[in-house]
Amino acid sequence: DAGVTQSPTHLIKTRGQQVTLRCSPKSGHDTVSWYQQALGQGPQFIFQYYEEEERQRGNFPDRFSGHQFPNYSSELNVNALLLGDSALYLCASSSTTGGGPHNQPQHFGDGTRLSIL
Amino acid sequence: SQQGEEDPQALSIQEGENATMNCSYKTSINNLQWYRQNSGRGLVHLILIRSNEREKHSGRLRVTLDTSKKSSSLLITASRAADTASYFCATGSTDSWGKLQFGAGTQVVVTP
Repeated sequence: DAGVTQSPTHLIKTRGQQVTLRCSPKSGHDTVSWYQQALGQGPQFIFQYYEEEERQRGNFPDRFSGHQFPNYSSELNVNALLLGDSALYLCASSSTTGGGPHNQPQHFGDGTRLSIL
Repeated sequence: SQQGEEDPQALSIQEGENATMNCSYKTSINNLQWYRQNSGRGLVHLILIRSNEREKHSGRLRVTLDTSKKSSSLLITASRAADTASYFCATGSTDSWGKLQFGAGTQVVVTP
């Protein structure tokens, strides 16, 4: 049973560029969330997708956008990269069964380490 | 902004000792979850405690929740070197649907 998979594992970009990160949720999960984790900090919620729509959004500018596909996989896009976007980007999946995703543990991938030069 | 704050920020203990860390949060919650993160890896879910529960056990883990004080604690008994990791509390609420708000974490080092 595959868990959450993310690609790529590492990425180096320069300021002003654009990046796309990818996530496949755990089998049976239909909801995908994205988090940004700066070094030494806890994860910060970016947004969440369910039924191919953005359902919740954290305090991130609209340079951060996403998409969910019919097979529940998801992409995170970041435009006009800034040095401050350097972080570990984590994808988490959960299921809407059993009372909703707020009542379920989330399963995390190992993340994409994004470095901006 | 962080919802929760963990205390202490760092903890160093020897194998066999117990490790206790605390989490305080600000808003009303539906549940509180604890996660572990090994260096450079993703988060692993440890335990979820609902707002109407006061204590929960899972193996060597014991979690308490005091909603009147908006605080929770995680106890790891008989720690092992493999417990070396960062531990995060995260809160979930019905109106935030699946959004989790994390604290800054407690870094635990267990020496053999």
